[in-house]
Amino acid sequence: DVQLVESGGGLVQPGGSRKLSCAASGFTFSSFGMHWVRQAPEKGLEWVAYISSGSSTIYYADTVKGRFTISRDNPKNTLFLQMTSLRSEDTAMYYCARGTAGTYFDYWGQGTTLTVSS
Amino acid sequence: DIQMTQSPASLSASVGETVTITCRASENIYSYLAWYQQKQGKSPQLLVYNAKTLAEGVPSRFSGSGSGTQFSLKINSLQPEDFGSYYCQHHYGTPPTFGGGTKLEIK
Repeated sequence: DVQLVESGGGLVQPGGSRKLSCAASGFTFSSFGMHWVRQAPEKGLEWVAYISSGSSTIYYADTVKGRFTISRDNPKNTLFLQMTSLRSEDTAMYYCARGTAGTYFDYWGQGTTLTVSS
Repeated sequence: DIQMTQSPASLSASVGETVTITCRASENIYSYLAWYQQKQGKSPQLLVYNAKTLAEGVPSRFSGSGSGTQFSLKINSLQPEDFGSYYCQHHYGTPPTFGGGTKLEIK
């Protein structure tokens, strides 16, 4: 079975940094593009970033461009999201999601919660 | 960016009823539309992609339709496990954007 397990969330002060991880199993990780999607408390879903299977193509939402960096380690089946200059509006549940050829998301992790507050 | 508008924002219905949720795109997205279900405290699950293709394991009481800018998700004979929130999302390139969601509650 496909499994995506996020970790690394927690409480961070405004202006701080945090690195999220997503451990993948049950599929050939190196063959799939991967995404991060977030959901602020009691709000809707917002796509954050995408990385292609071989890391050659990367996209970011305008709201995080220049502050967040998506990366992956294919031998370790792990996806990352390095977040810097964090703001209160970055407070959300962060999900990693498996990409498809059509830019929709067929499997999601359970999420990790990031709270940015002083 | 393409804006996705869902309606209604909330919906109350009884077990056994049929409901329809609509989604409008701000420009032509052909059939590049996905639907997700999210239950309280859980991650979203893919229901439909390419506007009308059911994801693996999704019951046939769910159906998607539409093209261009107007889409809908229909749920026939609501079951207790169908209550939760539903989101549409265009997958016509980047950035993919979501509708604001529809919360389906038990009447």
